[in-house]
Amino acid sequence: DQQVKQNSPSLSVQEGRISILNCDYTNSMFDYFLWYKKYPAEGPTFLISISSIKDKNEDGRFTVFLNKSAKHLSLHIVPSQPGDSAVYFCAATVNSGGSNYKLTFGKGTLLTVNP
Amino acid sequence: GAGVSQTPSNKVTEKGKYVELRCDPISGHTALYWYRQSLGQGPEFLIYFQGTGAADDSGLPNDRFFAVRPEGSVSTLKIQRTERGDSAVYLCASSSGTGTSGYEQYFGPGTRLTVT
Repeated sequence: DQQVKQNSPSLSVQEGRISILNCDYTNSMFDYFLWYKKYPAEGPTFLISISSIKDKNEDGRFTVFLNKSAKHLSLHIVPSQPGDSAVYFCAATVNSGGSNYKLTFGKGTLLTVNP
Repeated sequence: GAGVSQTPSNKVTEKGKYVELRCDPISGHTALYWYRQSLGQGPEFLIYFQGTGAADDSGLPNDRFFAVRPEGSVSTLKIQRTERGDSAVYLCASSSGTGTSGYEQYFGPGTRLTVT
């Protein structure tokens, strides 16, 4: 039972245009969400995150939107650059009051930005 | 500064053998996580250490899997009687474990385990 779902295995966009990656979740206990980027033969790299008390977080070209009622979040990259080509993972965690922030990941979306 | 390192980068072993995978976290990070990523899947949580103790091992698939972190730094994931289904990339991550920065986990490059 996938608690974090990324329904698009791949996405292709032109350089300079907007990339929108989507993620849905089923566990209403999740209260913190993160996006990771992964290049081949490397570990995932933290990109951007958002707390469930917010609906938007922006960092340079990257913006994450959270719609709690729909249990949906999205990552917007604008403008997209060829170096953004990678697999993007959506992840979620529950703040249980301790320090265990184990992540539940989606299957990932392969983004290809064409020059 | 140095990131999370994992050794070996690749490990090929025969079915039934024992393997050890090592993780060296970022210095000073108290929280350490192991994940497993199978082909076409996202990473799946295995075990979490806070300091020396395994605070959450709910993701370990069975009792053939065990992990230690005796001095609160380096961790070793141990797999006994390996099976072909254990073939995956094993990822280690560390974090400061406190406050909002505790959410951000820094991953190593992973160990690709192949069981033949």
